[in-house]
Amino acid sequence: DQQVKQNSPSLSVQEGRISILNCDYTNSMFDYFLWYKKYPAEGPTFLISISSIKDKNEDGRFTVFLNKSAKHLSLHIVPSQPGDSAVYFCAADPGNTGKLIFGQGTTLQVKP
Amino acid sequence: KAGVTQTPRYLIKTRGQQVTLSCSPISGHRSVSWYQQTPGQGLQFLFEYFSETQRNKGNFPGRFSGRQFSNSRSEMNVSTLELGDSALYLCASSTSRIYGYTFGSGTRLTVV
Repeated sequence: DQQVKQNSPSLSVQEGRISILNCDYTNSMFDYFLWYKKYPAEGPTFLISISSIKDKNEDGRFTVFLNKSAKHLSLHIVPSQPGDSAVYFCAADPGNTGKLIFGQGTTLQVKP
Repeated sequence: KAGVTQTPRYLIKTRGQQVTLSCSPISGHRSVSWYQQTPGQGLQFLFEYFSETQRNKGNFPGRFSGRQFSNSRSEMNVSTLELGDSALYLCASSTSRIYGYTFGSGTRLTVV
């Protein structure tokens, strides 16, 4: 049973435009969410996180939005750059015990 | 500041053998988690250790085990290897989820 879902396997955007990556979760008890970026043959790199007490968190070009009623979060990248091309994973941290539940990932391609 | 170091990077083993993978966390990080990444199942949580104690375990058979030493370094062991154990094994360390979990580059295990 997939508790964290990224329904779009891939996304292609033009350089300079906005990239929006989506993630849905099923368990309303999840209280912390993280986004990771991954290149082939490397480990995931932490991008940004959000606590369930917030609905938005920004860090430079990256903004994460959380809609608790819809059990949905999204990552916005503005402006998108070719170096952002990678696989993006959202993850839920159910209890601060080092266990992350990952979505299946979305491959982002930013075209020059 | 050194990152999370995993050794070896690549490993080829034969079915039925056993294997030990190593992870050195970032200095000062007491939590170490292990994940398995496969194309079909994505990133799956194996287990997490904090101060030499296993705090959480994922849904993997008993062939998968781990331990953590007093210096926070961790090892995971897979016994009686099966073809399906071929995967990228990642470890991550953390002080607090606010700062995210830092992943190593992984060990690519191939079982033949």
